[in-house]
Order: sequence, then C-alpha cells, then structure tokens
Amino acid sequence: KAGVTQTPRYLIKTRGQQVTLSCSPISGHRSVSWYQQTPGQGLQFLFEYFSETQRNKGNFPGRFSGRQFSNSRSEMNVSTLELGDSALYLCASSFTAGAYEQYFGPGTRLTVT
Amino acid sequence: KQEVTQIPAALSVPEGENLVLNCSFTDSAIYNLQWFRQDPGKGLTSLLLIQSSQREQTSGRLNASLDKSSGRSTLYIAASQPGDSATYLCRVSGYSTLTFGKGTMLLVSP
Repeated sequence: KAGVTQTPRYLIKTRGQQVTLSCSPISGHRSVSWYQQTPGQGLQFLFEYFSETQRNKGNFPGRFSGRQFSNSRSEMNVSTLELGDSALYLCASSFTAGAYEQYFGPGTRLTVT
Repeated sequence: KQEVTQIPAALSVPEGENLVLNCSFTDSAIYNLQWFRQDPGKGLTSLLLIQSSQREQTSGRLNASLDKSSGRSTLYIAASQPGDSATYLCRVSGYSTLTFGKGTMLLVSP
C-alpha cells in the first residue's frame, strides 16, 4: 500500500509570491491534515479536510488556505509569502476525521527568500 | 486549551541502555495518544497509538503507557540502538483538537 505522498519536496520562493503544495493520502483514507513545522514553534496544525470539507482550522492567517478534491487529494495554498513562512509543511492522512491514527508524508521544505 | 509537554528536550545515551521518554498533557479528556519518530528533515513515522481506554501498547522494543487521570504517557525503549536516534513526538487527540509536543531529541551513541 503506497504511503502519503507530497509534491514538490523542495521549493524556493520569493517574498510576495504564492505557492501551492499537494498531498495524496493513503488509498482509502478520507481525511487530510496539514501542519507547519519550524524549529522554534514545533508542529502547528493548519487545517483538516474530510470529504472535501474543512473540518478544523488552526490559528493561521487567511493567507493560508486549502482544499480537498473528490479523490481525497488535498492542496494547500499560501499567498503573499513572508520570510516567516519558511518551514517544513507536512500532511497527514487518516481513515476518517478526528482522533484517528495519522500517517505522515515526507513533507515539503519551503524556503522563502 | 490542551498543552503538551515533552521532557527531556534532548537525551544522549550509550547503546544498549533502556530509556524512558515522557509526555504530559493538561486536559485529560482525550480520545487517544500517538507516538511518532522523526528523522532529520523527514516526515513523521507512527510508532504506537494508545486509545483512551487502554493502559499500554507494545511494539517490539517499544512500550507506551498512558495514565489519563494524571495526564501522562511514557515511551519506553529497551536496549537502545544507534538507529533509534531521532526526535520522538507525542500527539494528543482531544474532542476537537490535535496537539503535538515539541519532541525529545534522542541520540544513541555506539
């Protein structure tokens, strides 16, 4: 069974640009969650999608948005990039929403210059 | 608001030692607790998941316990090996929240 895949693995962007990250969950999993990981703040929850609906949202500005497609694949978008957005962005999939076992992808390393 | 603390933040041990990593949480109303390991620059690998009704879970050399009433979980690693070197994170699932600790960075030297 294939694991969670994230593309691209690495990105370098300039301040003010926008970026879209993609996550494909494990086959049969319908929930996708996104996290931002930085050395100072650790893992911070961005949002969770289940059946194409945003179920939960963390405390991030509106520049961070996401969506989920009917095949459970999810995308995350960050607009008007800031230097502080440089981080490892991780997505996790689980069979259903809420407090279920999560499986993580390898992450996308975003560097904003 | 759920707060999750992991102690110690870093740990260095010689190969072969048994060790205990700690995870404490402030709100005992949880569904489950999951332990992960993370290698540098990589994603998280699930190790063990303990449901709120369980006291412990075991997988190979790993044993995780959960004491909901005291808000604590421990991850016991037996006979540590250099390949165990990684950051270990715990994640607590509440009724509407998923909260991670900041992790314990473990270094096992040969």
